Amino acid sequence: DAGITQSPRHKVTETGTPVTLRCHQTENHRYMYWYRQDPGHGLRLIHYSYGVKDTDKGEVSDGYSVSRSKTEDFLLTLESATSSQTSVYFCAISEGGQGYGYTFGSGTRLTVV
Amino acid sequence: AQSVTQLGSHVSVSEGALVLLRCNYSSSVPPYLFWYVQYPNQGLQLLLKYTSAATLVKGINGFEAEFKKSETSFHLTKPSAHMSDAAEYFCAVSVGGGADGLTFGKGTHLIIQP
Repeated sequence: DAGITQSPRHKVTETGTPVTLRCHQTENHRYMYWYRQDPGHGLRLIHYSYGVKDTDKGEVSDGYSVSRSKTEDFLLTLESATSSQTSVYFCAISEGGQGYGYTFGSGTRLTVV
Repeated sequence: AQSVTQLGSHVSVSEGALVLLRCNYSSSVPPYLFWYVQYPNQGLQLLLKYTSAATLVKGINGFEAEFKKSETSFHLTKPSAHMSDAAEYFCAVSVGGGADGLTFGKGTHLIIQP
C-alpha cells in the first residue's frame, strides 16, 4: 500500500535460524504494528510501537522481538524460527487515537522448514 | 478486554443477492469498529469505520454497516452482490486508542455464486 512497504515479500528459512522482517513507512505515523495471519485465527497482534524505541507486546509475542530506531522503520525478528511461525506477517501504521484508520502493508509470507 | 465474533467462516450468496456479514463485539467502553476486506494474496483494505458519529456508515464499493449498541453488533451489508466482492472480510474493534491496535475477528470468506 502507498506509504508502507514490507520486505521481503516472501522468505523461506530453516528451523532455528534468526529472521528479520522490515516495515518501512513514509507517512510519519506514530504507531506501528506487527500482526500475523493464520487460517481460522484472523489477525493477531505480535508487537506494537508507539514511538521511537517505545514498543510493547501484543497477544502472541513469544518468540518475537522488535526494534524501532527510526520513526519510519519497525523491524520484527524471529529469534530462532520454528515451524509454528510459518505465517503471513502484516505491518500496519496509524496516526493514533481511536477512530483513526490503520493502513496495512502487503504482507510477508514466511515459511519455516 | 475487547473481542470480536464473526458469525460464519464462509458465506455464499448469488450474484445480485443481498450480502450480510455478521459481526458482534464485546467492549467495556464505547468502541470504534472497522470492516476490512482482503483479496487473495493482498493486504487489508479499509471498507468502512464507525467512530461514534452516524450509526449507519457507508463505505467503499457499495458496502454499509449499522452500529447497534443494544445488540453489540456491526453487521456489513451490500444490496446486490457482484462477482468482484468475493474476498475475505474482517471485522475489528479498537478501544484503547493507537496503543492497543485493532482486535480482529477470525474473518468471513464471501463466496459469490454466478
